[in-house]
Amino acid sequence: NAGVTQTPKFRILKIGQSMTLQCTQDMNHNYMYWYRQDPGMGLKLIYYSVGAGITDKGEVPNGYNVSRSTTEDFPLRLELAAPSQTSVYFCASSIGGRSNQPQHFGDGTRLSIL
Amino acid sequence: DQQVKQNSPSLSVQEGRISILNCDYTNSMFDYFLWYKKYPAEGPTFLISISSIKDKNEDGRFTVFLNKSAKHLSLHIVPSQPGDSAVYFCAASVAGFQKLVFGTGTRLLVSP
Repeated sequence: NAGVTQTPKFRILKIGQSMTLQCTQDMNHNYMYWYRQDPGMGLKLIYYSVGAGITDKGEVPNGYNVSRSTTEDFPLRLELAAPSQTSVYFCASSIGGRSNQPQHFGDGTRLSIL
Repeated sequence: DQQVKQNSPSLSVQEGRISILNCDYTNSMFDYFLWYKKYPAEGPTFLISISSIKDKNEDGRFTVFLNKSAKHLSLHIVPSQPGDSAVYFCAASVAGFQKLVFGTGTRLLVSP
């Protein structure tokens, strides 16, 4: 059982480039999330999705876009990479939207923008 | 404004002793609290949680205590094991919904 899979694990981008961080889950979870973790900080919610075709902003959505065309996949797109987006990005999923249904995390994508 | 605070960046404990990790919050609307554990190069994994209607929840070696009047929760690990060495994040949510607010984490080192 793979759980939540994120690709790539590492990436270096130049300022102004764009890229898509991939996230897929095989647990048939309805809810999916994207977080970023900056050094010495906690995770901050970027976007989340409650099901295919439905997405909403989290705490720090600026500079990012998401889509959810299938239950399994929830890609995160950076259109114009900026140094402030250097971070570790985590994707997560949960079977439902209540807090007592824990989120399952992928192993992260470490992104550096130079 | 940091709504969930873990004021101790690190904690060192000897194997077999108790580890106590602390978390404070400022938003009185938070009604569900969770602890996640994170190893290097891995994603966080859920450890234990507590609803605001309780003041204690226990799962094996792990116990979470909630003091609503002080807006404080703590995670107790007894006995501590070297495999417990990791970063522990406290998280909170409002109205039981999954928009979690995370603390900055406490790095626990359990030495043999």
